[in-house]
Amino acid sequence: KQEVTQIPAALSVPEGENLVLNCSFTDSAIYNLQWFRQDPGKGLTSLLLIQSSQREQTSGRLNASLDKSSGRSTLYIAASQPGDSATYLCAVRPLGTDKLIFGTGTRLQVFP
Amino acid sequence: EAGVAQSPRYKIIEKRQSVAFWCNPISGHATLYWYQQILGQGPKLLIQFQNNGVVDDSQLPKDRFSAERLKGVDSTLKIQPAKLEDSAVYLCASSLDLDRNTIYFGEGSWLTVV
Repeated sequence: KQEVTQIPAALSVPEGENLVLNCSFTDSAIYNLQWFRQDPGKGLTSLLLIQSSQREQTSGRLNASLDKSSGRSTLYIAASQPGDSATYLCAVRPLGTDKLIFGTGTRLQVFP
Repeated sequence: EAGVAQSPRYKIIEKRQSVAFWCNPISGHATLYWYQQILGQGPKLLIQFQNNGVVDDSQLPKDRFSAERLKGVDSTLKIQPAKLEDSAVYLCASSLDLDRNTIYFGEGSWLTVV
């Protein structure tokens, strides 16, 4: 059974810091991995998607890496801003399914 | 392009009462999902539709939860009777059949059972 874990559960940093969010999964048989952002009272917004054959994806100040063999992914946020404050969720799509298995998320607060 | 629409946004009911949530996916999206997100946890898939057929409902508590997608467009999720542990956000999402990688979420329906 696929399980997804995110560490840390919460993070508070000053503006301008570079930071790393971690995601680990127990079964490497995945189709892809996605990182989502969730603002309070809102739905989820997809940030980055990494196919199982890829090592990383970049979008602006965000960079996500995938090491399928070790069951790990990281989301790197450069030069953090208060507007980055949100909960970040990673999700894997197991091979042979359309469903997403989500982690419990990392709640990020960036203070001025 | 309009996003995934959900209603109501907020609902408070007493235990053993019933509640229904409605979802209108993005136009043309064949795949529709209902997720349950309990506070402090990640979303958990309840049911997935492909057009108006059910693809996966393995985690749907069928003794109290039901869902339908008439005509392959809008969908409703019903809970009857509700329990305290059903308090959660119910997220609807949709994706194109041919582009399974991109999934779009609605803002969710917040349920509190007292």
